[in-house]
Amino acid sequence: GAVVSQHPSRVICKSGTSVKIECRSLDFQATTMFWYRQFPKQSLMLMATSNEGSKATYEQGVEKDKFLINHASLTLSTLTVTSAHPEDSSFYICSASPDEEQYFGPGTRLTVT
Amino acid sequence: SQKIEQNSEALNIQEGKTATLTCNYTNYSPAYLQWYRQDPGRGPVFLLLIRENEKEKRKERLKVTFDTTLKQSLFHITASQPADSATYLCALGGSSNTGKLIFGQGTTLQVKP
Repeated sequence: GAVVSQHPSRVICKSGTSVKIECRSLDFQATTMFWYRQFPKQSLMLMATSNEGSKATYEQGVEKDKFLINHASLTLSTLTVTSAHPEDSSFYICSASPDEEQYFGPGTRLTVT
Repeated sequence: SQKIEQNSEALNIQEGKTATLTCNYTNYSPAYLQWYRQDPGRGPVFLLLIRENEKEKRKERLKVTFDTTLKQSLFHITASQPADSATYLCALGGSSNTGKLIFGQGTTLQVKP
């Protein structure tokens, strides 16, 4: 199957700082990638759709100025959590697809102290 | 609003038995439904996709059924093994082919030796 990687796998940052998470499709090109957030024992919640070469589409209730998404190439999308606060601590997961089956990255555990 | 329900209680079964997980949905007409496996601290792993015009699909020890009248999917693991212990997520995809998925909260399966 297709492979999607994420970096870093784990990050701890101080409140008020910004954190960038990378999502890469390793063996296919992805014009669209998806960013999810998952809190403990809860389901994946779609945050935004990352579109190569154009603006991301955000789900209702997700602040686009806080969660900056850049999809500059067909294999890379980045999510930047700006001015992070403890309530932003979560598991962030990206996905991409060469067809209908979505392939997920291993996730990034963000802890904001 | 769209709603997906999976049994929130953990399912405990004995090794060798068949595990059956349920996914019910309301206020939605998905074009396809997918099942994923998620281990703690990891991203979901794709297992099976079944389309709205398919009743059943199999892959090795896995079987998925899709009843669009009942708005329900059943996910079976036959001859279960302790290694099958994980959280299983169902996800619905729409006909617009955007790739966006709506996830259920998942059911945790524990297979005891």
